[in-house]
Amino acid sequence: GDSVTQMEGPVTLSEEAFLTINCTYTATGYPSLFWYVQYPGEGLQLLLKATKADDKGSNKGFEATYRKETTSFHLEKGSVQVSDSAVYFCALYGGATNKLIFGTGTLLAVQP
Amino acid sequence: DTAVSQTPKYLVTQMGNDKSIKCEQNLGHDTMYWYKQDSKKFLKIMFSYNNKELIINETVPNRFSPKSPDKAHLNLHINSLELGDSAVYFCASSQVGGSEQFFGPGTRLTVL
Repeated sequence: GDSVTQMEGPVTLSEEAFLTINCTYTATGYPSLFWYVQYPGEGLQLLLKATKADDKGSNKGFEATYRKETTSFHLEKGSVQVSDSAVYFCALYGGATNKLIFGTGTLLAVQP
Repeated sequence: DTAVSQTPKYLVTQMGNDKSIKCEQNLGHDTMYWYKQDSKKFLKIMFSYNNKELIINETVPNRFSPKSPDKAHLNLHINSLELGDSAVYFCASSQVGGSEQFFGPGTRLTVL
């Protein structure tokens, strides 16, 4: 079945460091791909999305490119801030079922 | 404010009790969802309703019964609560067939 695999956390970085959170997927067909962010004590918010191969989603300095050849959608940010500390979820929609399938989440902790 | 809202935010109860969680969205969406997030932050869909009709019913104990009085509301009733039901429950909504889902703030259920 469809699935999403994310790198295990926690990821601990210093402010202004470069961030990469890896995400790969397995799916039938051509799913849409998403990154959601969950700040402490809050619900999930859509961070960015890409709906087809080679699309790049971007928002708030974060970027991810839909790579069909490597079935990946890695999240990157050039310079993280303390306020970026949160849990980041990679997800796919479409594929074999019309359900949003989430990865296990990656906790990012940014230290001043 | 336009949003997905849930009540209560926290729910502490004894094993064996029956409890309900309410969800409302004023985004004009046709589809609503319930998700369960366990202690390791893993998110899994439980139910989905489209215009008051059940369309996704994952393998969830039948102690859990969703009810949608209208397309803006989706409530979750849980009978005979068990320790393993302790989790954060998120409501979400989207347009029909929409992959972009908007999440509520969550309800943290603790069963003692």
